Amino acid sequence: DQQVKQNSPSLSVQEGRISILNCDYTNSMFDYFLWYKKYPAEGPTFLISISSIKDKNEDGRFTVFLNKSAKHLSLHIVPSQPGDSAVYFCAAFASSASKIIFGSGTRLSIRP
Amino acid sequence: DSGVTQTPKHLITATGQRVTLRCSPRSGDLSVYWYQQSLDQGLQFLIQYYNGEERAKGNILERFSAQQFPDLHSELNLSSLELGDSALYFCASSVGNSYNSPLHFGNGTRLTVT
Repeated sequence: DQQVKQNSPSLSVQEGRISILNCDYTNSMFDYFLWYKKYPAEGPTFLISISSIKDKNEDGRFTVFLNKSAKHLSLHIVPSQPGDSAVYFCAAFASSASKIIFGSGTRLSIRP
Repeated sequence: DSGVTQTPKHLITATGQRVTLRCSPRSGDLSVYWYQQSLDQGLQFLIQYYNGEERAKGNILERFSAQQFPDLHSELNLSSLELGDSALYFCASSVGNSYNSPLHFGNGTRLTVT
């Protein structure tokens, strides 16, 4: 049972344009969401997070949007840069639960 | 550099064997988490320890066990290994025991079972 789904295994975006990575979840008990970025041969690194009481959180070129009614969140990267090429994992947890659930990841490639 | 150290980086062993993966958390972090990433799969949560005590359990097989020692380093023991256990095993640490404290991941141990 995949509670956190990233339906796009890969995404290719031109440098300078906007990258939009999507994530859907099924458990309405989730109240905190995070995005992690992973380069080859490295562990994931924390990128940005959002609490369920908000619908938007921005940090520099990265913005996460949360649509609770649709159980959907997205990560926007603008403008996209070559260094953004990586695998992006969406993650979610519920305060009442005891574990974090990760999506399967989306591989973002930024082309020149 | 996340500050989380995992050893070894690579491990190749045969089916039926037993291996131990080691993790040293970031200085000051009390929580340690173990995750498994199989080919093209997401990060599957295995187990979490907080200050030496088991805090949460995920989809961890009975053949697997873990512990966190008084110096806060952790070991993940995998026994009776099967081909399907081949994966990347990540350790992560955080300051607290709640998931709104971002996780800091090590670079992983790649286990290959032949």
